[in-house]
Amino acid sequence: KQEVTQIPAALSVPEGENLVLNCSFTDSAIYNLQWFRQDPGKGLTSLLLIQSSQREQTSGRLNASLDKSSGRSTLYIAASQPGDSATYLCAVSLKGSGNTGKLIFGQGTTLQVKP
Amino acid sequence: NAGVMQNPRHLVRRRGQEARLRCSPMKGHSHVYWYRQLPEEGLKFMVYLQKENIIDESGMPKERFSAEFPKEGPSILRIQQVVRGDSAAYFCASSPSLGPGANVLTFGAGSRLTVL
Repeated sequence: KQEVTQIPAALSVPEGENLVLNCSFTDSAIYNLQWFRQDPGKGLTSLLLIQSSQREQTSGRLNASLDKSSGRSTLYIAASQPGDSATYLCAVSLKGSGNTGKLIFGQGTTLQVKP
Repeated sequence: NAGVMQNPRHLVRRRGQEARLRCSPMKGHSHVYWYRQLPEEGLKFMVYLQKENIIDESGMPKERFSAEFPKEGPSILRIQQVVRGDSAAYFCASSPSLGPGANVLTFGAGSRLTVL
């Protein structure tokens, strides 16, 4: 059974710091991995999607890496800003579920960036 | 394009009542997913629907819960005889038909159900 774990559960950093959020999964037979952002009382926004054949994806100050063999992904946020404060969720799509939106989520890392 | 619209945003029900949550997918999206986020837990997949078809309901509780996506109108998640444990945020997401973008979900803002 696929399990997705995110560490740490919460993180507080001063503005400007670079930081890394971690995600691990137990079954390497994934179709892809996504990172989402969730703001309080709101829905999820997709940040980055990494296909199983890829090693990383970048968007602006965000960089996500994927190491399937070790079952790990990291989300790197450069030069953090108070507006980055949110909960970050990692989710995998299993190979068996094909190219669908059936995802298994981690419990998230709640990030607070202090001005 | 208004995105994925969910209503109501907040719903309060007493134990034993019924809850109906509605989801209108993004324009052009024909696939709908429902996820549930219980307090202090991650999002859990419930059901995946296409128009008039339930494709995967492996995450739906066996009793009291049902979902539909009719030919016309929004997708409905129905919870009968609600209990306090049903209190959660229910998120709907939609995606286009199968293809390269099929698993790029657009999420709604969620419906927060409170059972008294």
